[in-house]
Order: sequence, then structure tokens, then C-alpha cells
Amino acid sequence: QSALTQPPSASGSPGQSVTISCTGTSSDVGAYNYVSWYQQHPGKAPKLMIFEVSKRPSGVPDRFSGSKSGNTASLTVYGLQAEDEASYYCTSYASSNNLIFGGGTKLTVL
Amino acid sequence: QLQLQESGPGLVKPSETLSLTCTVSGGSINSSPYNWGWIRQPPGKGLQWIGSVYYTGSTYYNPSLKSRVTMSVDTSKSQFSLKLNSVTAADTAVYYCARERIAAAGPLDCWGQGTLVTVSS
Repeated sequence: QSALTQPPSASGSPGQSVTISCTGTSSDVGAYNYVSWYQQHPGKAPKLMIFEVSKRPSGVPDRFSGSKSGNTASLTVYGLQAEDEASYYCTSYASSNNLIFGGGTKLTVL
Repeated sequence: QLQLQESGPGLVKPSETLSLTCTVSGGSINSSPYNWGWIRQPPGKGLQWIGSVYYTGSTYYNPSLKSRVTMSVDTSKSQFSLKLNSVTAADTAVYYCARERIAAAGPLDCWGQGTLVTVSS
């Protein structure tokens, strides 16, 4: 199974919104609602931000929102803040009991 | 509060076996339906799911690594383990353990801090 496709970088100014895409296939993102998003700051472990496409774990600000259309999932960050600057990774369940990651997107807050 | 902590050698020689253990505290390793997973990240690169194990011993492996991976669980010690054999420099990475809510599907909702394993002679 190939990795999910994410843009290498994204950016936005404080207060703006930014959307990061995660493109898979009809065998992974398009077939299952098991898409998650993780935030990773340099030197730190990833943190779960979104699961099952659009659900937020307790403690994650509602500025973070997830969605899916066809084979592409998206993470939108509203009202960008300096602390949102990090790398973001998507994952999806794929057939044959495999969990695949996207290549990651580095989000810069200008 | 659930906590996971990886442990094991930080240096492994090429062709040998990488062995890591993850200790679970603040919660039960027997909790259904959670699986216990391993994920790695080569320096400066992205994340890769290695696989996961259920407390009964059922395992799920990344097909690209399946031939070299063995995972196990020791419920009496609240630990689960990873063995990766025939390692090469390409296996140099930070290795994370994590709790996986649904086998091979995530989400990975609690992570260890990670441990760097370098493969070098």
C-alpha cells in the first residue's frame, strides 16, 4: 500500500484558516471512515487531533476540523495560532489490516 | 492517566535483531478493544506504522515489514514488545509505542515519548 499524499508544506497568517489535504484511494480513505490526523512538534511524539474523519478527542480545540470527500480527507485549522506551527500527518485504515500514513505537511504560521 | 514508555538498546549492529519494550502504566494492557502498536520515524522523515498486538497475542503487521517483525505482549508485566530482525541502516529511526483504539485502523490516542535506535557497526 502506498503512503497517502499530503502537500509538503502549508502556511497562513495568525487568525487565518488553512486546509491540509490527504489523498488516498478507493481502498483506503475512500472506503473507510477511519481517517485520523496527528500534530507533531519538533522532537515530540505525535498527538491525536482528529479521528474517524471528523471527531475531536477531548482537549483538542474546536478550531481543528476534519472532513472527507471521496478519496480525499482534509484537516482545516481555523483561527491560526502560533502554537499550531507543526507537522501534521494523516492516517487511514487500508484493506488487509494495514494502517497507512501520509507523508506529512509542515504548517508554518507566518 | 495512561502512560507508555519505550526501552531498549539505542544501538544495534547491522544484520542483528532490534528489540524494544513498551511499559504501560496508569491503565490496563488488558483493556478491550485496544491494541498496542509500534510506529517508527527515520530522522527527518515521516511516520510508518509497524504493527500492533492485542493482549491475547493476536498481531497485525505492516505487509512491507511482516517478514522481519514479531510482536508480543506480557500482561503480567504490563509490557508489549517489538523484535525486528536483519536490520540495516534503513531501520535507523525513532521508535514509538502507542495505544491503538481499533486494530490496524487507529486512532493512536496515547503515545510514548519515543526512543532513537541507530543501526551501525
